[in-house]
Amino acid sequence: KAGVTQTPRYLIKTRGQQVTLSCSPISGHRSVSWYQQTPGQGLQFLFEYFSETQRNKGNFPGRFSGRQFSNSRSEMNVSTLELGDSALYLCASSLADPNYGYTFGSGTRLTVV
Amino acid sequence: DQQVKQNSPSLSVQEGRISILNCDYTNSMFDYFLWYKKYPAEGPTFLISISSIKDKNEDGRFTVFLNKSAKHLSLHIVPSQPGDSAVYFCAASVNYGQNFVFGPGTRLSVLP
Repeated sequence: KAGVTQTPRYLIKTRGQQVTLSCSPISGHRSVSWYQQTPGQGLQFLFEYFSETQRNKGNFPGRFSGRQFSNSRSEMNVSTLELGDSALYLCASSLADPNYGYTFGSGTRLTVV
Repeated sequence: DQQVKQNSPSLSVQEGRISILNCDYTNSMFDYFLWYKKYPAEGPTFLISISSIKDKNEDGRFTVFLNKSAKHLSLHIVPSQPGDSAVYFCAASVNYGQNFVFGPGTRLSVLP
């Protein structure tokens, strides 16, 4: 059974650029959440999508956006990149039943220079 | 303000002994808690969960205890194995499973 797939694994971008990250959830999972992991802030929730609708959003600026497609695949977009956006971005999928928790992907390491 | 705290950044335990990882939270509205384990270069792996209607949940070597009055939960690993060496994150949510808040993590080292 394939796990959660995130692409690309590594990305280097310049300040001011924009970036799109992709997440393919486990087959059958309809909930996809995105998290930012940094050494100083730990894991921080970005947003969650369920059946193509954003149903929860964390405290991140509007430069961070996402969407979910009908096949449950999700993309996250960051516009006007800042140096502080350098982080590991993790995607997690779930059946939406919390008793099973969330399955995380390996993440996309974004470096902004 | 950190709503979920893991005050021990690291913990070392001898193989075969008990590992106890602690987590404190400030938001009394949290009603669902998870523990995740994370190896380097991998995403976190779900370990065990507990809802606020219970005070204990057990799964094999892993047991989570919840003390709502103290806003404290702990993860017990018995017996500890070298493969348990990882970073452990505590996470909490309101409304059962949406918008999790994670603690900063505790790095567990199990020594052979």
